[in-house]
Amino acid sequence: GAVVSQHPSWVICKSGTSVKIECRSLDFQATTMFWYRQFPKQSLMLMATSNEGSKATYEQGVEKDKFLINHASLTLSTLTVTSAHPEDSSFYICSARDPGRNTDTQYFGPGTRLTVL
Amino acid sequence: QQQVKQSPQSLIVQKGGISIINCAYENTAFDYFPWYQQFPGKGPALLIAIRPDVSEKKEGRFTISFNKSAKQFSLHIMDSQPGDSATYFCAASRPGYALNFGKGTSLLVTP
Repeated sequence: GAVVSQHPSWVICKSGTSVKIECRSLDFQATTMFWYRQFPKQSLMLMATSNEGSKATYEQGVEKDKFLINHASLTLSTLTVTSAHPEDSSFYICSARDPGRNTDTQYFGPGTRLTVL
Repeated sequence: QQQVKQSPQSLIVQKGGISIINCAYENTAFDYFPWYQQFPGKGPALLIAIRPDVSEKKEGRFTISFNKSAKQFSLHIMDSQPGDSATYFCAASRPGYALNFGKGTSLLVTP
C-alpha cells in the first residue's frame, strides 16, 4: 500500500523547452503532495507543497513561474519546468501523505531524472 | 539553515557489524522523526519512524534510539549486510508540515 508513481522516470530536453512531470498516488487519495529536488550526492531540497484544489506553497528561492505545480485531483500532481536550462538538470522527487494511514508519513515516488542539454 | 544535522557523512562497516548514524535537531516543535533509505537513482524509502514519547523503536535489524532532552536520535543497523549499502537520511517534521532532511550518510558494508 501507499504507492506513489512518477512519470517519466527520465527525460532529456533541449534548453528553452518545457517539461511536465507527473506524480500519482496509486492506492490512496493524497490531499497534500510535496516536490523535492536532489542534486548528486546531496540531500532532498523541498521545492513546494501542493494541496489539492489550491495554489502550491513554494519554498524561499524557488521560482513559482518557472516551476509550475498543479494538484488538480486527489491522486495527481504535476510539476512543469518551464523554459528549462542546464542548471535545472536534477533529480525531481515527489511525495505524498496518506491521511487515512498516517498523517505524518511521506511516501516518495521513484524520482524523475531531468537532463537539459 | 539545516534544521536537522546528520553525521557521519560516510560510514564503512564490515558485514555483520553495527552501523550507527546520528542526527540532532533544534526545533522542539518537531514531533515525527523518520529514517529513509535511498539507493542510487531511486526515491527514498521509509525504513522506520519514531515519535518523541518513545525512547526506542525496533523493526527487524533497524532500531531508532531517541533522546528528547538532548534533541538527538540515531539509527542502528544490526548485523549489517552488503545489501544495506545505500544513503540514509534522517528527517523531522512538525504537524502538517513537510519533512526536513539531514544531509545524508553514505553507508558501505564490506563483505
